[in-house]
Parts: sequence; C-alpha cells; structure tokens
Amino acid sequence: DAGITQSPRYKITETGRQVTLMCHQTWSHSYMFWYRQDLGHGLRLIYYSAAADITDKGEVPDGYVVSRSKTENFPLTLESATRSQTSVYFCASSETTGELFFGEGSRLTVL
Amino acid sequence: GENVEQHPSTLSVQEGDSAVIKCTYSDSASNYFPWYKQELGKRPQLIIDIRSNVGEKKDQRIAVTLNKTAKHFSLHITETQPEDSAVYFCAASIQDNFNKFYFGSGTKLNVKP
Repeated sequence: DAGITQSPRYKITETGRQVTLMCHQTWSHSYMFWYRQDLGHGLRLIYYSAAADITDKGEVPDGYVVSRSKTENFPLTLESATRSQTSVYFCASSETTGELFFGEGSRLTVL
Repeated sequence: GENVEQHPSTLSVQEGDSAVIKCTYSDSASNYFPWYKQELGKRPQLIIDIRSNVGEKKDQRIAVTLNKTAKHFSLHITETQPEDSAVYFCAASIQDNFNKFYFGSGTKLNVKP
C-alpha cells in the first residue's frame, strides 16, 4: 500500500524556472491539498481539490498552478520560481470526513 | 477564512511532567479539530482528533479538550517522555463539501530527560 507519494523529494532550481511537484495517492480519496511549511508559519494551504477537475485557492496561492485531471494525481507547478518559494511542500489527501494524510514532503530550494 | 492561533511556540518540560498546548479558531462553523505530531524531517501524523459534538477525548497519555463557546481547544500530554519531543500542530476544519484544514503555527515540544 503506497499511500501518498511525492516527487521529487529534493529539488534545487533557479529563479525564473518552472518547477512541477508531483503528488500521487492510491486511496482514491476525494480531497487533495498542497501545503507549504516555513519556519514560524506552520502549514499554509496553497491549493486544494475536492474531486477531479475541481480545484480552488487556499491561503497562499499566488505563483502556483494546480490541476487534477485524475483523482489520484495532483501536481503543483511553480510557473516562474522565486526565492520566496523556497520551502518544504507537503501534499495531503483525505476523504469527506476524517484524517488528513500527508506525503513525505518535497524540499524545494530556489537560488 | 479560518484563522487558527497556537501557543506556545516552544515548550520545554522535564520528563514525567505534563505539557499543554492551546489553540483558538475563528470560524464557528469549524467542526473537526485534529492534532498532528511532526518529528524532525518527517511528515505530520495524526495523534488525536475531536469533533464539535464532543468536549473531551483521551487516548492513553494524550487528551484533547474543546470549548466551542470560547472557540478554543487544547492538547494535554501527561507523563511526558523524550520520544514526545517533536513539533505539534493543531488544525481546524469544516467537514463538508469544502474539506479545508487550517493549521496553527506549531509548538516545538522539548522533553528533557
């Protein structure tokens, strides 16, 4: 049972480059989320999705794009990376009620 | 949107003592309040949760209390052990068609042997 997996786990890129972080879940959970974790800010919601082809902004969506063509995948794209987007990114999934399950995280460094 | 505040940001206790972490939320429609533990370099993992129709819930050394009127909830850890050292996050969620979870800023708990 793979659960929820993220790739890449570590990524170094340069300012202005496009970066895509992948997220895949095997549970067929309806809801998927992207959070960023920064010291002092906890976990902040970037985007979320209630089902395939249904996405909406969270607290800090600027500079990010998401898509959800299939229930199991929820990629996050930084169209033009900035240094302020250096962070640890967590993908998560849940069913309608109950626990939020996190992936292992993707550490992104923007130089 | 929902705003969750968490205190303290750091907490240091002696092994065997109790630890209490407090959170407040702003949206009275929130009805699900989980607590997550995150060890260094790991993903957050659920340790206990409570729903709005319950005032208190216990699981061995961990308990959570909820005061809906005051819009605050707390995590209580008794008989702390060094392996309890981690960052703890509270969260609030409205469990309906828009199942968003909003997190507090985290509490770094250090249990000294």
